[in-house]
Amino acid sequence: GQSLEQPSEVTAVEGAIVQINCTYQTSGFYGLSWYQQHDGGAPTFLSYNGLDGLEETGRFSSFLSRSDSYGYLLLQELQMKDSASYFCAVNTGTASKLTFGTGTRLQVTL
Amino acid sequence: EADIYQTPRYLVIGTGKKITLECSQTMGHDKMYWYQQDPGMELHLIHYSYGVNSTEKGDLSSESTVSRIRTEHFPLTLESARPSHTSQYLCASSELYGGETQYFGPGTRLLVL
Repeated sequence: GQSLEQPSEVTAVEGAIVQINCTYQTSGFYGLSWYQQHDGGAPTFLSYNGLDGLEETGRFSSFLSRSDSYGYLLLQELQMKDSASYFCAVNTGTASKLTFGTGTRLQVTL
Repeated sequence: EADIYQTPRYLVIGTGKKITLECSQTMGHDKMYWYQQDPGMELHLIHYSYGVNSTEKGDLSSESTVSRIRTEHFPLTLESARPSHTSQYLCASSELYGGETQYFGPGTRLLVL
């Protein structure tokens, strides 16, 4: 079976840095994606790691370690608008299907 | 502007009715997907398509069916709606070799009474 685990909730203050972890156990693995979803909204793509290491996109960075079956999303200079749910998703390679994690609800406070 | 559209955005319907949820994309993407998501929960893939006349079932068993007669159109049909079908249904699309980057529509929130 496939399983992806993330913390259910994270709280951080505006301007801070927060890391959202994702551990996975899947039958196939071609890469790890991250999506952001605001309440009532659609998921939007943030980042993708196909290889080990760090990918940086503005205030967001994502890291992957295939040997540890682990990745994380790093959000810097947090803003109130970053309050949302964040999902990791594994591309199992079978028709590029994505298996999504349980999601982490990030609350940014003043 | 390239985008992905879903209609209706909200639907309240009685048990036993047939419904079709529409999804269209103007990005020329070959792959399209349907996900089901309950509030505060993860997304579950219920159907996907590689292209015209291609449809496959996803990881979550669903009583719905899909069709792909045109590249841009991927409707989902429930022949007889039940309260257990109440959920949000999200349509997405991606390039043929870029499945890790999926573009989502706004979703349809379905309530079956």
